[in-house]
Amino acid sequence: GQQLNQSPQSMFIQEGEDVSMNCTSSSIFNTWLWYKQDPGEGPVLLIALYKAGELTSNGRLTAQFGITRKDSFLNISASIPSDVGIYFCAGHSLLTQGGSEKLVFGKGTKLTVNP
Amino acid sequence: EPEVTQTPSHQVTQMGQEVILRCVPISNHLYFYWYRQILGQKVEFLVSFYNNEISEKSEIFDDQFSVERPDGSNFTLKIRSTKLEDSAMYFCASTLNRDSYGYTFGSGTRLTVV
Repeated sequence: GQQLNQSPQSMFIQEGEDVSMNCTSSSIFNTWLWYKQDPGEGPVLLIALYKAGELTSNGRLTAQFGITRKDSFLNISASIPSDVGIYFCAGHSLLTQGGSEKLVFGKGTKLTVNP
Repeated sequence: EPEVTQTPSHQVTQMGQEVILRCVPISNHLYFYWYRQILGQKVEFLVSFYNNEISEKSEIFDDQFSVERPDGSNFTLKIRSTKLEDSAMYFCASTLNRDSYGYTFGSGTRLTVV
């Protein structure tokens, strides 16, 4: 089945540092999404990417959808303590012929920010 | 901001018992989903529901699972005879259309089967 490989699994950084995480897939996705999950909460959408090569920003977050539609990265600049959480990439292939409406999630990157 | 509401937040049940997890999707949304997340693992798709029927389900969603929208506002997930391996966080999600940008997740129900 479709799988997303997300790395790194965890990161420990100092407040103010920049962070980068990425996802790769053997399958093509039409939409690539980045979510953040706080403890005991559901995933919250951060950024959605729809076009191959697209670079999108949301405040201190920047994400890019790879040209091949098989990878994406998420950057967080000038990290702050509230950035702590688990970040998931997710792929959606609905627009593909015979595509599924489900989201396929990566295993997550756990981010710890030391003040 | 509109929310997807899930109850209870935590449920403990004995193996073999039936459980019903409840969700109130965002009121004007039309597409409804259940996902689960085993502790420390990734979020996995269970089922999608539209127009009062299942539109897609995963291999996890076997005959022990069922979904229902009984009254136009609630969306429920029933597990008929729970197993230890059903212990997980269960997330409900809804969206106005099938565009994934509008996917809103609830805070989840932690199911513990003992």
